[in-house]
Amino acid sequence: QVHLVESGGGVVQPGRSLRLSCSASGFTFNSCAMHWVRQAPGKGLDWVAVIWDDGTNKYYADSVEGRFTVSRDTSESTLYLQMSSLRAEDTAVYYCARDRKLCSGDTCYGEAIDIWGQGTMVTVSS
Amino acid sequence: DIQMTQSPSSLSASVGDRVTITCQASQDINNYLNWYQQKPGRAPNLLIYGASNLETGVPSRFSGSGSGTDFTFVISDLQPEDIATYYCQHSDNLLRFTFGPGTKVDVK
Repeated sequence: QVHLVESGGGVVQPGRSLRLSCSASGFTFNSCAMHWVRQAPGKGLDWVAVIWDDGTNKYYADSVEGRFTVSRDTSESTLYLQMSSLRAEDTAVYYCARDRKLCSGDTCYGEAIDIWGQGTMVTVSS
Repeated sequence: DIQMTQSPSSLSASVGDRVTITCQASQDINNYLNWYQQKPGRAPNLLIYGASNLETGVPSRFSGSGSGTDFTFVISDLQPEDIATYYCQHSDNLLRFTFGPGTKVDVK
């Protein structure tokens, strides 16, 4: 069974750092790009970052560029999000998510997220 | 960057009604458009991919259409369990995602 389990959330003061982890199981971790998506309380989905399957390419939302770093440890099937210089507006549930390439035969339709973790709450507050 | 808009932001309908949600992209995205359902307290769930393809296991009362910049998501026979927020989503060739702001659906 495919599972993603996040950990590392908590309450942190503005300007401090926090590292989230996501343990993956039930699929070939190094064959999939992985994302972080967050959701502030009562708000919509906000894409944060992606790391490609081989870890060579990483991309970030403008709002976290330069402050957050995504990485992966294939040997441990674990995804990470190192967050620094945290702000109140970073308060959210952070989801780890698996990317799926959408192709049917010779036709492709981009990418989607097909597996989500349960989320871990990050609260930035003094 | 591509921006996604959705309308309406919320709606209330009766069981059995046909519900329509629209999503508009700020530039042509071909049919690289997906729809998700998120129930309260839960992670989202993929319903429609490639604008009109039903994900395996998703009830046939859900459907999608459109191409280019304008897309439509329909629930043909609204059920009580469809209470949720629905999001459109686009991915670019670098796998960067953009979500629409969401449409909250309530049952009267």
